[in-house]
Amino acid sequence: DAGVIQSPRHEVTEMGQEVTLRCKPISGHDYLFWYRQTMMRGLELLIYFNNNVPIDDSGMPEDRFSAKMPNASFSTLKIQPSEPRDSAVYFCASSSGLAGSSSYNEQFFGPGTRLTVL
Amino acid sequence: GENVEQHPSTLSVQEGDSAVIKCTYSDSASNYFPWYKQELGKRPQLIIDIRSNVGEKKDQRIAVTLNKTAKHFSLHITETQPEDSAVYFCAAPRPPSGGSYIPTFGRGTSLIVHP
Repeated sequence: DAGVIQSPRHEVTEMGQEVTLRCKPISGHDYLFWYRQTMMRGLELLIYFNNNVPIDDSGMPEDRFSAKMPNASFSTLKIQPSEPRDSAVYFCASSSGLAGSSSYNEQFFGPGTRLTVL
Repeated sequence: GENVEQHPSTLSVQEGDSAVIKCTYSDSASNYFPWYKQELGKRPQLIIDIRSNVGEKKDQRIAVTLNKTAKHFSLHITETQPEDSAVYFCAAPRPPSGGSYIPTFGRGTSLIVHP
């Protein structure tokens, strides 16, 4: 398995533009997570999906951010319009078997997308 | 609010010394505690984890200890080497949202091992 795949690896855009980040989870994993990493705030969970359904989006910073998972092998995180403060590394991760009380399986992270908004 | 606190934020040691990173959590129902290592410019990767039915787990130079009473767990690295230099994250499940427990990560510890 190639692991979690993210694209693009780097994105440089101008303020106000729409940005779309893409993720392909590991085949068979039923949970998908989007994280944002910055020096100031560390690793923040933005949203996660279970079986393609968004479960918790309380970490999404504002309405400019949206995420979709149209099928088990693809998810997008969209920022529209983008702002300089959105500059960060965005990680997608997937895992299997997050079932039951306090049960948790290893999260496999993608390589990340480094976003720079000028 | 954040339910996982990690200390120290930076740790500098000499090669061969030991390094200890500590995390505390608030949810007494938590029962799984992983540690991730993130090298510069790379993705976080699991290095060791522990479940609450054991107090310690060891894998070569890396060990994790758990004190459920005090709600803290620690990562121990012995005989540190320059390649251990990285950011280390702990994680612990946070109270459920939508019925599932989702790990909350600590803020990370930047470990620097000087040759």
